[in-house]
Amino acid sequence: QQQVKQSPQSLIVQKGGISIINCAYENTAFDYFPWYQQFPGKGPALLIAIRPDVSEKKEGRFTISFNKSAKQFSLHIMDSQPGDSATYFCAASTATGGSYIPTFGRGTSLIVHP
Amino acid sequence: DTGVSQNPRHKITKRGQNVTFRCDPISEHNRLYWYRQTLGQGPEFLTYFQNEAQLEKSRLLSDRFSAERPKGSFSTLEIQRTEQGDSAMYLCASSLKGQHYEQYFGPGTRLTVT
Repeated sequence: QQQVKQSPQSLIVQKGGISIINCAYENTAFDYFPWYQQFPGKGPALLIAIRPDVSEKKEGRFTISFNKSAKQFSLHIMDSQPGDSATYFCAASTATGGSYIPTFGRGTSLIVHP
Repeated sequence: DTGVSQNPRHKITKRGQNVTFRCDPISEHNRLYWYRQTLGQGPEFLTYFQNEAQLEKSRLLSDRFSAERPKGSFSTLEIQRTEQGDSAMYLCASSLKGQHYEQYFGPGTRLTVT
């Protein structure tokens, strides 16, 4: 059972465009929703994260939108740059038991053309 | 560099052989996690340690897998009698007490079983 569903699988945008990646979750116990960025040959790096008590969080060109009732959240990359080309993973975790073990989506391969 | 380090970065082994990977977490991080990532998938949780205690193991961690963190610092992951299905990227992450929702990943060890 895939608890975090991510779409699209791949995304191609032009430089300066907006990249949007969507995720949906099933477990209502999830209370922390991070996004990771992974470059080839590297481990995932935490990019931005949100908790369900807010509907939006912005850090520079990266924004998370969160819809608790729909159990969906999305990553928006404004003014996309070629250096943003990477694989992006959404994830969800819960503080239950104190573990915060994230469940990851399958990833979105983003290519930004110059 | 004070990030999470993993060795070796690549390992090619023949089916049936044993392999061991090492992870050095960020100093002062008391939790250490192991994940497995296959092509086109997000990382999947295997196990985690708090200091030297192994607190949780995933169902993915079969009897052929064993992990240790003997002194609460570095950790090793051993796979016995490797199978072709073990081919994957093995990722290590660590987190700081009180901030376990933020995990910092290493570059991974790419295992190829021939």
